[in-house]
Amino acid sequence: GDSVTQMEGPVTLSEEAFLTINCTYTATGYPSLFWYVQYPGEGLQLLLKATKADDKGSNKGFEATYRKETTSFHLEKGSVQVSDSAVYFCALRENTGTASKLTFGTGTRLQVTL
Amino acid sequence: DAGVTQSPTHLIKTRGQQVTLRCSPKSGHDTVSWYQQALGQGPQFIFQYYEEEERQRGNFPDRFSGHQFPNYSSELNVNALLLGDSALYLCASSWAELGLPNEQFFGPGTRLTVL
Repeated sequence: GDSVTQMEGPVTLSEEAFLTINCTYTATGYPSLFWYVQYPGEGLQLLLKATKADDKGSNKGFEATYRKETTSFHLEKGSVQVSDSAVYFCALRENTGTASKLTFGTGTRLQVTL
Repeated sequence: DAGVTQSPTHLIKTRGQQVTLRCSPKSGHDTVSWYQQALGQGPQFIFQYYEEEERQRGNFPDRFSGHQFPNYSSELNVNALLLGDSALYLCASSWAELGLPNEQFFGPGTRLTVL
């Protein structure tokens, strides 16, 4: 079945440092890929997405490129801020018929300090 | 425009009891999905409702059931609660174009604690 593997956290960075959170996936078809962010006490918010190979999703300075050859969708940001501290989830959605369930990784906690 | 709303925010139950959680989708959305997020884990898909029918289901026992109403709101029911059912329950809504899914928007969740 489908699965998503994320690097384990927590990831602790100083403000303005470069961020990479690794994500790889296993899927039978050609899924869409997502990064969601969860701030303390809140639900999930979509951060960015990519629907086909070589697509780059971007939002709020975060980027991720859909790499079919390596089955990866790594999240990057050039300069993190304290306000980026949250848990980040990589997810996939199979694009078959009406199926639309999201399969999530276990999440990576990011803590940014001054 | 209100987003996805869920009630209650928190709930405490004892083993063996039954619980009902409620979700109102974002305006214009007709599809509701439910997820269970255990502490320190990613959300796990429970099921999805569209046109008042269960369209897709994850690997959850029959103790988990749901319903969607004509106004697209939804309920999640869990019978015979177990300690392991303690989790954050997330509702997500989306809209279907020509029956195909679109982006899911998540509510803040209901925190269920089973003692």
